[in-house]
Amino acid sequence: NAGVIQTPRHKVTGKGQEATLWCEPISGHSAVFWYRQTIVQGLEFLTYFRNQAPIDDSGMPKERFSAQMPNQSHSTLKIQSTQPQDSAVYLCASSLGTNQDTQYFGPGTRLLVL
Amino acid sequence: GDSVTQTEGPVTLSEGTSLTVNCSYETKQYPTLFWYVQYPGEGPQLLFKVPKANEKGSNRGFEATYNKEATSFHLQKASVQESDSAVYYCALRNTGYQNFYFGKGTSLTVIP
Repeated sequence: NAGVIQTPRHKVTGKGQEATLWCEPISGHSAVFWYRQTIVQGLEFLTYFRNQAPIDDSGMPKERFSAQMPNQSHSTLKIQSTQPQDSAVYLCASSLGTNQDTQYFGPGTRLLVL
Repeated sequence: GDSVTQTEGPVTLSEGTSLTVNCSYETKQYPTLFWYVQYPGEGPQLLFKVPKANEKGSNRGFEATYNKEATSFHLQKASVQESDSAVYYCALRNTGYQNFYFGKGTSLTVIP
């Protein structure tokens, strides 16, 4: 079991550019979560999918951020017109989606917006 | 709303001393409580979880008791080691829901 895979591990973009982050959940897991991690805010929930359907995006900034899960083997988080304040580690996690369940995290993508 | 509050760091301890990281939670529902640990360059990984009130969870010498009356889930270890240096997160997940509520994390550095 390879665990949750996130690519790229590091990404540097210029202000105003687009950034797309990829996540491959653990095989067989039906729930996928995205978090943003900063020193100041800690772990912030962004959004989650279950069986590829968006369930809760209450943590997503209303502008410039979007997430998709086109198939059960990957999800993407896209940030348009990146700003320096978007610099953070973006973490993806997956779980079986059952009631008594644990989230398993990937290593994260460190995004730096210059 | 639901929330988790934990000891603010950073915490620095000498090897062999005891650790307590306080965690308090707020929810009107019936949560499972978790402790996660995150090492540099990695994502958080589960340390242990406790789904039932008044039960204790433990792993690698760490332990915490789910105290429903006090709404607390404090992490303890009797004797820390340098390899315990990491960030520790307390979290809750309500029964029937998938999303987690995390505390802000407590950074622990253990010096030899």
